[in-house]
Amino acid sequence: EIVLTQSPATLSLSPGERATLSCRASQSVSSYLAWYQQKPGQAPRLLIYDASNRATGIPARFSGSGSGTDFTLTISSLEPEDFAVYYCQQRSNSPPWTFGQGTKVEIK
Amino acid sequence: QVQLQESGPGLVKPSQTLSLTCTVSGGSISRGTYYWSWIRQPAGKGLEWIGRIYTSGSTNYNPSLKSRLTISVDTSKSQFSLKLSSVTAADTAVYYCARDTLTLDAFDIWGQGTMVTVSS
Repeated sequence: EIVLTQSPATLSLSPGERATLSCRASQSVSSYLAWYQQKPGQAPRLLIYDASNRATGIPARFSGSGSGTDFTLTISSLEPEDFAVYYCQQRSNSPPWTFGQGTKVEIK
Repeated sequence: QVQLQESGPGLVKPSQTLSLTCTVSGGSISRGTYYWSWIRQPAGKGLEWIGRIYTSGSTNYNPSLKSRLTISVDTSKSQFSLKLSSVTAADTAVYYCARDTLTLDAFDIWGQGTMVTVSS
């Protein structure tokens, strides 16, 4: 099973600042990595698929990069609605699919 | 647009079987580019993929749950279901159903989730 490690666990930033979230895989997942945003009491929402492609309706301030074992989600300028928990998720050659433990982006 | 809705008991006794159903509306469950998955999240914790099913009935299960797990599909009702046997308190979680889109390699549509508590 591929383990995904996200860092940092918590990111304290102010609106307008840039957020950089990291996700590291225990073995290569090529570009088969997705990012999700989850707000309290809500289901996760797909932000990025295949490492760098924005899902439908996702603002351009969200971008993803990386391949192999190291991936980054960047939020270029935080809006108030962006404070949430973010998860990465891998789809390697075969299941089980796994998620990272999450990074909480909180208001400083 | 496509929507998913979970349904089932919110309370299950230890050692019994947890049963949930996900109803797909606004689109076809039989379209070939989708699998249909179950994912769970204990309170305050991260997400765990449980398993998935294709409309042919082909399944993939998380090895950690495989011995207790059955996922099935009823295309005539646009539903897929989860059965998890011999539950313990560790199975207490919010259970989500989600569309697993092959062209995106991701879960692009989620149900709202349903809380299941295992307790006597």
